[in-house]
Formats: sequence, structure tokens, C-alpha cells
Amino acid sequence: GAVVSQHPSWVICKSGTSVKIECRSLDFQATTMFWYRQFPKQSLMLMATSNEGSKATYEQGVEKDKFLINHASLTLSTLTVTSAHPEDSSFYICSARDQGQPQHFGDGTRLSIL
Amino acid sequence: GENVEQHPSTLSVQEGDSAVIKCTYSDSASNYFPWYKQELGKRPQLIIDIRSNVGEKKDQRIAVTLNKTAKHFSLHITETQPEDSAVYFCAARARADSYGKLTFGQGTILTVHP
Repeated sequence: GAVVSQHPSWVICKSGTSVKIECRSLDFQATTMFWYRQFPKQSLMLMATSNEGSKATYEQGVEKDKFLINHASLTLSTLTVTSAHPEDSSFYICSARDQGQPQHFGDGTRLSIL
Repeated sequence: GENVEQHPSTLSVQEGDSAVIKCTYSDSASNYFPWYKQELGKRPQLIIDIRSNVGEKKDQRIAVTLNKTAKHFSLHITETQPEDSAVYFCAARARADSYGKLTFGQGTILTVHP
């Protein structure tokens, strides 16, 4: 149980393109979803916390207009990297949890901006 | 906010030896401490967790201990195997955070030599 699916797993696109990443909880209702960014050989950096039906809470230094988060249902959250540039290249991972339960992670999305 | 320090950053052991990874946290109100294992390019997977009302928890070869007074917790892996090689992250969650936001340590690269 507690499976989180993240798509796509790998994206390569041109600078200026917007990229959408989906995070789905397959067998539980995710009251809260989290979006992280991870640089090579580094820890997980929380970008934002999203709750179903409400606006996401962004961490300090994360541009909300750059990283659009939508949590439209209890099983789906999306992260859109708008007008992506090479410095946005990274590994993005989502996690999801139900009330009182641990966070479970998706497989991550490797984003490469040319 | 919460700050989590993790040591060592790298750990190399021989197969069959024990491995210990230590973390300290700053927020005395933190009440939940999970450990995640992340293999290269894959999702972090929850391997064990402990709540603040418990001092120790064990699951086969893995154990976690918590010292609330000193604000530190440790992961113990006994009889290590090559497949234990991965990056391990500790994390802490503040009691006051109803959304369950985790603060992660910097990670420990564990290498188990056959």
C-alpha cells in the first residue's frame, strides 16, 4: 500500500518551455502533498506544501510564479515549472501523506533544460 | 525553524559489520523522526520511524534510538549487506506542524564492501 506515482520520470526540453509534473497517490487519499528539489549528492529541499483545495505554501526563496502548484483532488497534485531555464534543471520529487500517516515518495522527475 | 544535522556524511563498512548514523535536531517540540533510504536515482523509501513517546524501535536488522533530552536520534544497521549501500536521510517533524512537514538531514552515503 501507500503507492505514489510521479510522471514523467525524465524530461528534456528547450529553454523557455513550461513543464508539468504530476504526482498521484494510487491507493490512498493524500490530504497533503509535498514538492522537493534534490541536487546531485544533496539532501531533499522542500519547495512547497499543498493541501487539497487550497493554495500551496511555499518555502522561503521559492518563487510561486515560477513553480505553480495545483492540488485539485485528494489524489493528484501538479507542479508546473514555467518558462524553464537551464538553472531549473534538477531532480524533482513529490511525496504524499494522509492525515497521521508517514510521507511516501514518488519516483522523481529528472528535468533537463537545454 | 527546525534544523537537522546528520553525521557522518559518508560511511564505509565491511559486510557483516554494524553501521551507525546519528542526527541531532534543534526543535524540542519535534515528535516524529523517520529514516529514509534512497538508492541512486530512485525514490526515498521509509525504512523505520520513531515517535517521541518511544526511546527505541527495532525492525529486524534496523533499529532507531531517540534521546529527547539530548535531542538526537540514531539509526543502527546490524549485519550489513552490500544491498544496504545507499544514501540514508534522517528527518524530524515539529509537533506544531499539522501538515506533517519534514526537515531532512544532509544524508549519509553508506557503502558496504563485500
